Amino acid sequence: EAGVAQSPRYKIIEKRQSVAFWCNPISGHATLYWYQQILGQGPKLLIQFQNNGVVDDSQLPKDRFSAERLKGVDSTLKIQPAKLEDSAVYLCASSRRLPRTGELFFGEGSRLTVL
Amino acid sequence: QQQVKQSPQSLIVQKGGISIINCAYENTAFDYFPWYQQFPGKGPALLIAIRPDVSEKKEGRFTISFNKSAKQFSLHIMDSQPGDSATYVCAAVSGGYQKVTFGTGTKLQVIP
Repeated sequence: EAGVAQSPRYKIIEKRQSVAFWCNPISGHATLYWYQQILGQGPKLLIQFQNNGVVDDSQLPKDRFSAERLKGVDSTLKIQPAKLEDSAVYLCASSRRLPRTGELFFGEGSRLTVL
Repeated sequence: QQQVKQSPQSLIVQKGGISIINCAYENTAFDYFPWYQQFPGKGPALLIAIRPDVSEKKEGRFTISFNKSAKQFSLHIMDSQPGDSATYVCAAVSGGYQKVTFGTGTKLQVIP
């Protein structure tokens, strides 16, 4: 089966500009996650969708970050305006609802550099 | 708020040696504990996972040890190989929708 697809792989922007990342999960996976991974740290959950509904966005900086998952399939994460501290890799992952194993399937990530 | 603490931050092991990485948690709502392996430029990939009613799980050279009373779990890599050089991230699962909380990661380098 095809893996999780993400684009773009790399993006360089100036601070205060906007950026959008796209994710297409594995077919049939109901749960979609966006994580932020700063260099040298573990992934931090930004938002989790179950189908097209949000189940957790407690750590999403809502004043600048937004995400949507239209039709319960692919998803877009947007940052506007970007700050220097947003420089990170944005990882998208998907999983089956069952069995409950904690197995997430990750894409290769989108690396953002904010100058 | 970091709910899963991981140590050490980095680890250098000789080829053939044992690599040990530790994690600790506080939230008793966690009910599954996976370990992920991440190579540079790639997303994490599931390596091995354990349920809290099991004290140990072994898959090949990789073993998870789980201590429920101490709220700690660890990854042991036996006969470590240079190909094992990667970042290892522990995680904990909670909630009906499988919220996965990750530790801070350990960068392992296995030297020949």
